[in-house]
Amino acid sequence: GAGVSQSPSNKVTEKGKDVELRCDPISGHTALYWYRQSLGQGLEFLIYFQGNSAPDKSGLPSDRFSAERTGGSVSTLTIQRTQQEDSAVYLCASSPSIGLAVQYFGPGTRLTVT
Amino acid sequence: AQRVTQPEKLLSVFKGAPVELKCNYSYSGSPELFWYVQYSRQRLQLLLRHISRESIKGFTADLNKGETSFHLKKPFAQEEDSAMYYCALSGAGSARQLTFGSGTQLTVLP
Repeated sequence: GAGVSQSPSNKVTEKGKDVELRCDPISGHTALYWYRQSLGQGLEFLIYFQGNSAPDKSGLPSDRFSAERTGGSVSTLTIQRTQQEDSAVYLCASSPSIGLAVQYFGPGTRLTVT
Repeated sequence: AQRVTQPEKLLSVFKGAPVELKCNYSYSGSPELFWYVQYSRQRLQLLLRHISRESIKGFTADLNKGETSFHLKKPFAQEEDSAMYYCALSGAGSARQLTFGSGTQLTVLP
């Protein structure tokens, strides 16, 4: 079946611009996660959505980062006023339920801030 | 706080040789441990989890709570095992987010 998809696969933007990254989770998965994979920091948790509950934003590095999940499905990660240190691969993962910790990852969006 | 340590950034072995990728963790409760693998130009995917106690692609990993370790082992490495391996921990928090180690790049030489 279809896995987690993300778009765009690559994004180059100028410092100071806003970007939006999209994630389509596996159908029926209620939990959705965003992670960031960067050279200096490895894989870091950013934000988590579970159903219609308020998201867990504890991993967001600054208030320039925000995310939403519409209708319990598609999620968008927005980075405002991008900085060069935001350059990374942004990964989305989904999980069928909160009780099952296995997460299925998308291919990622490679963001380059020039 | 939860933490995962993979001490080896790079590991090279010859085909047919045994391989062990080390993982140590720090967590105050009962964690769930995973190994994820990322082959070249592919997405991150689950290799195995300690709860399942299974062998996938010839790999096994045993959770040692006394040593807080979850090392990944394979008795006879194959060239197709070359990849980036990440050890990850999921705690008992409500989000169940994964905390990853820094990864080990395994290269199996012919």
